[in-house]
Amino acid sequence: DQQVKQNSPSLSVQEGRISILNCDYTNSMFDYFLWYKKYPAEGPTFLISISSIKDKNEDGRFTVFLNKSAKHLSLHIVPSQPGDSAVYFCAASANSNYQLIWGAGTKLIIKP
Amino acid sequence: ETGVTQSPTHLIKTRGQQVTLRCSSQSGHNTVSWYQQALGQGPQFIFQYYREEENGRGNFPPRFSGLQFPNYSSELNVNALELDDSALYLCASSPIDRNNEQFFGPGTRLTVL
Repeated sequence: DQQVKQNSPSLSVQEGRISILNCDYTNSMFDYFLWYKKYPAEGPTFLISISSIKDKNEDGRFTVFLNKSAKHLSLHIVPSQPGDSAVYFCAASANSNYQLIWGAGTKLIIKP
Repeated sequence: ETGVTQSPTHLIKTRGQQVTLRCSSQSGHNTVSWYQQALGQGPQFIFQYYREEENGRGNFPPRFSGLQFPNYSSELNVNALELDDSALYLCASSPIDRNNEQFFGPGTRLTVL
């Protein structure tokens, strides 16, 4: 039973355009969501997070949107850069619990 | 500031053997979490340690055990290895008051033959 789903295994975007990565969840108890980026041979790196009391959080080129009614969140990267090519994971937790539940990841490829 | 380090980088074992993986947490972090990441999947939470005590556990059998030391470094021990234990094992450290902000090491790739 996958509580966090990333339905796109991969995404290809032209450099300079917007990248939109999607994530769906099923557990209505989730109240904190995070995005991590992972390069090959490295551990995941924290990118941006959002609490369920917000619907948007922005940090430079990265914006996360949360739609609680749809149980959906998305990560927008604009403009996309070659260094953004990586696997992006969506993760969620409930009631400030330490247990992060992760999606399977989306591989983002930025084309020059 | 030293980041999270893990050793060894790669390891090959056979079924039935035991393995110990090691993790040094980031400076100033007192909480360590361990994850198993199978190929093509997201990390699965194994357990977390805080102040040398297990602070929560995911859906893993008792043959997965751990330790945390006074310097906050940690070990993951797996007994009676099975083929399905082949995975990338990730260690993450965090300050206890910001438990969701976890900083990951590069992982140990375990292959069980």
